[in-house]
Amino acid sequence: EAQVTQNPRYLITVTGKKLTVTCSQNMNHEYMSWYRQDPGLGLRQIYYSMNVEVTDKGDVPEGYKVSRKEKRNFPLILESPSPNQTSLYFCASSFSDRGYYGYTFGSGTRLTVV
Amino acid sequence: KQEVTQIPAALSVPEGENLVLNCSFTDSAIYNLQWFRQDPGKGLTSLLLIQSSQREQTSGRLNASLDKSSGRSTLYIAASQPGDSATYLCAVRAGGSYIPTFGRGTSLIVHP
Repeated sequence: EAQVTQNPRYLITVTGKKLTVTCSQNMNHEYMSWYRQDPGLGLRQIYYSMNVEVTDKGDVPEGYKVSRKEKRNFPLILESPSPNQTSLYFCASSFSDRGYYGYTFGSGTRLTVV
Repeated sequence: KQEVTQIPAALSVPEGENLVLNCSFTDSAIYNLQWFRQDPGKGLTSLLLIQSSQREQTSGRLNASLDKSSGRSTLYIAASQPGDSATYLCAVRAGGSYIPTFGRGTSLIVHP
C-alpha cells in the first residue's frame, strides 16, 4: 500500500530532551515536507526537501532540523524541544512534477513537551 | 504570494442536505488544486485532485469544480451524512512553486 508512515503517533517529552520523529514513504516521491498544525493557525510548513541532500526552510523552521540522506526518509529533529513546540505534526510527500500530482500525508504525530 | 481562503469556517447542517464548500485563491497561475478531509486529531486524506486544465472532478457524492479565472473552487457534497463530519481543506499548487498553499479549512458537522 502506498503510504507515508510517521513514528511515533504520540510522544510526551520533557523540555530540552532531543527527539526525532521519523517519516518514510514508499512511493519514490522526490518531494517531502514537514508541517505543524495548531488551533487557529492552520497548517504551517517547517521544512521541505526537493530530493536527496536538498532541503530548505519553510515558514516556521526555528527549533527544528531535518535531513534527507535517502529518498524515502525525512526525519524531523528537535534538538532541544520547548513547550511551544507542542503541536500536531504531519509529514507529506509528492512527486516533484508540479503539473500532475497531489500530496500524500502521514497520519500525524501528536507531540507534547512539558 | 498565493493566499487561500475557505468560506465558511464552520458549518452545521442536518443530515440529507446538499452542501457547497468554497475555496478561493489569489494567484490564478496554478498547477492543481487538491481537496482534503481531516478528522479530529487525524491525518489529511485526499479527496479530489483537479488539474489546472480540468473544470471538475467527481468521486461518489463529492464533486469539485475549478474556475481558475475567478480564483475559485467549490466542493459539493450531495446528500450529506453524519459520517461526512470533518474539516475540509483545500491546497493550491501554484505555478513556479513546488510548495502548496493551504486554506484554514471548513469545519463541517452533519447532525442526524
